Amino acid sequence: QPVLTQPPSSSASPGESARLTCTLPSDINVGTYNIYWYQQKPGSPPRYLLYYYSDSDKGQGSGVPSRFSGSKDASANTGILLISGLQSEDEADYYCMIWPSNAWVFGGGTKLTVL
Amino acid sequence: QVQLVESGGGVVQPGGSLRLSCAASGFTFSSYGMHWVRQAPGKGLEWVAFIRYDGSNKYYADSVKGRFTISRDNSKNTLYLQMNSLRAEDTAVYYCAKTTKFDYWGQGTLVTVSS
Repeated sequence: QPVLTQPPSSSASPGESARLTCTLPSDINVGTYNIYWYQQKPGSPPRYLLYYYSDSDKGQGSGVPSRFSGSKDASANTGILLISGLQSEDEADYYCMIWPSNAWVFGGGTKLTVL
Repeated sequence: QVQLVESGGGVVQPGGSLRLSCAASGFTFSSYGMHWVRQAPGKGLEWVAFIRYDGSNKYYADSVKGRFTISRDNSKNTLYLQMNSLRAEDTAVYYCAKTTKFDYWGQGTLVTVSS
């Protein structure tokens, strides 16, 4: 199964934006996949945030604020989760996921610290 | 509202068996595919298995293929995971999750494989 690469950690200050990345292996084109994002706080199950395929094909999870958004960087073969107007409650682990055929693959996760 | 409640976790010796259950409510269970996902202590998310809404197709991660069996009883709104030949590396919190995009998750049940 493919390996999705996420930086282990990231940090930003309240009110700023955080850009979390999810890099696909070179033999898989990010342009052909929905990229899904999940948030997990300590002691809680993951929460579905959103998926992004393109600007015309994307979806937000139930109750997820619009300051969470997705995008792609085709040149870097990367999916991106952008969190704007950071709040202390956004401190959590974030996981990306793709669905290549009959298997589902999660990235290793990024721990976001809100300084 | 959607509710997923896992049960059946516990401590089991290597080579032993365990059956997990996931009771679903708040949605039409028989209309949706369902997953099992696990998370080892301090680690990331690992997809385990998926079953289609009608049980017609099942898919497994390579790490559990041949040892774990996913099933469902739509008359009881319940998802199952039969785990055989358990190993220490199967120690994890096991979550059930709804649909191909994991849009709702249960609270998880802890499985510890230890002698």
